[in-house]
Amino acid sequence: EVHLVESGGGLVQPGGSLRLSCAASRFSFSSYWMHWVRQAPGKGLVWVSHINVDGTTTSYADSVKGRFTISRDNARNTLFLQMDSLRVDDTAVYYCTDLNDHWGQGTLVTVSS
Amino acid sequence: DVVMTQSPLSLPVSLGQPASISCRSSHSLVHTDGNTYLTWLHQRPGQSPRRLIHQVSSRDSGVPDRFSGSGSGTDFTLKISSVEAEDVGVYYCMQGIPRPPWTFGQGTRVEIK
Repeated sequence: EVHLVESGGGLVQPGGSLRLSCAASRFSFSSYWMHWVRQAPGKGLVWVSHINVDGTTTSYADSVKGRFTISRDNARNTLFLQMDSLRVDDTAVYYCTDLNDHWGQGTLVTVSS
Repeated sequence: DVVMTQSPLSLPVSLGQPASISCRSSHSLVHTDGNTYLTWLHQRPGQSPRRLIHQVSSRDSGVPDRFSGSGSGTDFTLKISSVEAEDVGVYYCMQGIPRPPWTFGQGTRVEIK
């Protein structure tokens, strides 16, 4: 069974930074585009960022452009999301996914003073 | 950006009764490769989303055949032929054309009457 396990979430003050990780196992990680999708409390799913198979192409939702950076390490089967200049409205569960049939369990990011 | 609009947003259903959810996209989801990139996801309370159907009507492995997807172009439907207790939760349509931004519908909450 495929596993995508996110980590790195937590409580951070506005303006702070966090780095999320997503470890993939039993999954041909290096063959897939990967994405981060977030879900604010009680709200729907929102796409955040994508990266292609070798990390040379990335894209971002307008709401996070210039503040978040996606990257990957195919040797370690790991996806990352560096989140800087965090705002209160970035508070959400962040999911790592291939947007196909593989989703992680999510990691909660809370931005609050 | 492709806007995805679902209806209804709330759907109370009796056990054993059928249910139907509509999803409309602001632009055609037919890609130049000939595929139509419309996906249905199900999220149970407290869980990650799970893909049910991709490319309009292809059920994922392990998805009961009471779930079916149909549609074309910009109009799509998810049907549950006979609702069971485990079907409660929120259903999302998602456009998966392989270029950013990827977008989701607002979600339809299915509950048992």
